[in-house]
Amino acid sequence: EAGVTQFPSHSVIEKGQTVTLRCDPISGHDNLYWYRRVMGKEIKFLLHFVKESKQDESGMPNNRFLAERTGGTYSTLKVQPAELEDSGVYFCASSQTGHTNTEAFFGQGTRLTVV
Amino acid sequence: AQSVTQLDSQVPVFEEAPVELRCNYSSSVSVYLFWYVQYPNQGLQLLLKYLSGSTLVKGINGFEAEFNKSQTSFHLRKPSVHISDTAEYFCAVSGTDSWGKLQFGAGTQVVVTP
Repeated sequence: EAGVTQFPSHSVIEKGQTVTLRCDPISGHDNLYWYRRVMGKEIKFLLHFVKESKQDESGMPNNRFLAERTGGTYSTLKVQPAELEDSGVYFCASSQTGHTNTEAFFGQGTRLTVV
Repeated sequence: AQSVTQLDSQVPVFEEAPVELRCNYSSSVSVYLFWYVQYPNQGLQLLLKYLSGSTLVKGINGFEAEFNKSQTSFHLRKPSVHISDTAEYFCAVSGTDSWGKLQFGAGTQVVVTP
C-alpha cells in the first residue's frame, strides 16, 4: 500500500513567485493535515481537511496560503506570493476517520526555500 | 490549548547505551500523547502513543514511554540503542476531542556513535 506522497520533494523559488505543493494521502483516508516546520522551530499545524471540507484552518499563517482538496482525494497548498519567511519543510499527513486507535501517517515533506 | 517542551535539543549516546528523551507538556484539557521519529531523508513515523490505560507504553524498535500525569511528562526510553536509532525524535500532544491536530515539541536529535 502506498504511503502519503508529497510533490515536489524540494522547491527553490524567488520571493514573490507562486508555488504549489501537492499531497496524495493514503487511499481511503478522509482526514488530511498540513503541517510546517520553519528552520529551528517546532512542527506547526496548518490545517485539517475532512474529505473536501476544511475542518480547521486555524494554523494558516495568512491569506497568502490557500489549501484545497477538490474531490476529497489529493490536496494542494499554494503560496502566493511567497515570502522569505515561508521557507521550511511542509508535511502532509492522513488518517482514517472515527478511529482514535489509528495513527496519522506522514509524508516525507516538501522542503521549500524562498530566496 | 496545549504546549510541549522537549528539554534536550541534542543527545549524543554511545551504541548499546541506554537513552532517555524528556518531554513535558501542558494542557487545559485531557490529552493524547505521541512520540514520532524522523530518520534522515524520511517522513515522520509513529513510535508509540498513549491514549488511555496503562501508563507504560511500548512502541516499535524497542522504545517505550511512561505517562506521568502528576508531572505532566511523557519521557521516551530505550535500554540499548543502535547506530540506526540516529534520528530526530518529536514528542507531540493532542486534545482528546481533536486527536489528529498535533502540537509538537521542538525535537531532539539523537546521535548514536560506536
